[in-house]
Amino acid sequence: EAQVTQNPRYLITVTGKKLTVTCSQNMNHEYMSWYRQDPGLGLRQIYYSMNVEVTDKGDVPEGYKVSRKEKRNFPLILESPSPNQTSLYFCASSFNIWGASGANVLTFGAGSRLTVL
Amino acid sequence: DAKTTQPPSMDCAEGRAANLPCNHSTISGNEYVYWYRQIHSQGPQYIIHGLKNNETNEMASLIITEDRKSSTLILPHATLRDTAVYYCIVRVGGYGGSQGNLIFGKGTKLSVKP
Repeated sequence: EAQVTQNPRYLITVTGKKLTVTCSQNMNHEYMSWYRQDPGLGLRQIYYSMNVEVTDKGDVPEGYKVSRKEKRNFPLILESPSPNQTSLYFCASSFNIWGASGANVLTFGAGSRLTVL
Repeated sequence: DAKTTQPPSMDCAEGRAANLPCNHSTISGNEYVYWYRQIHSQGPQYIIHGLKNNETNEMASLIITEDRKSSTLILPHATLRDTAVYYCIVRVGGYGGSQGNLIFGKGTKLSVKP
């Protein structure tokens, strides 16, 4: 089944304890992206990756890191989590950005709910 | 990518058509309009997309104005299960610009009532 898989789905952690949220897709998609969702603020983009070894900042990148060493994986790293990073996180992917518009349809993961105490 | 403007919330009676508007006045010639929806806190799901012609699929219809500055998503017979947040975004179909920075915003919360 074609899908985007995020882990963990739920996590409670403490301030300053490094954590990684993994994202993996099995569709050979080039483009991958991370979003966070907070009440009243909608979906905000954190980082995105156009292809392997190509990443760029979205609208709210502070406090996060990403890497794209292989096409299928795009982990989100919180080096020193803080309570303001408590949020619902979504990973998404699509085949590419340019070219046929149908290839630009984003597939989202189920979400990872993170609480930082 | 161009930004979009949507009303924060709308109500619709079950069985009636739901018409969700979206303004994208700065859209450029090679930008497509995409609609997604998010039910509860699930991952957003794709609904439909279009460039300048009206489009229809099994879920919805998309009407794009001739000047392409706005569009309307139509759910022809809304059901309670259509209660969700609906996002309108625009996305370039060709090379150029900051392609990867996709802005979803807050969307429109549609409440379908019995």
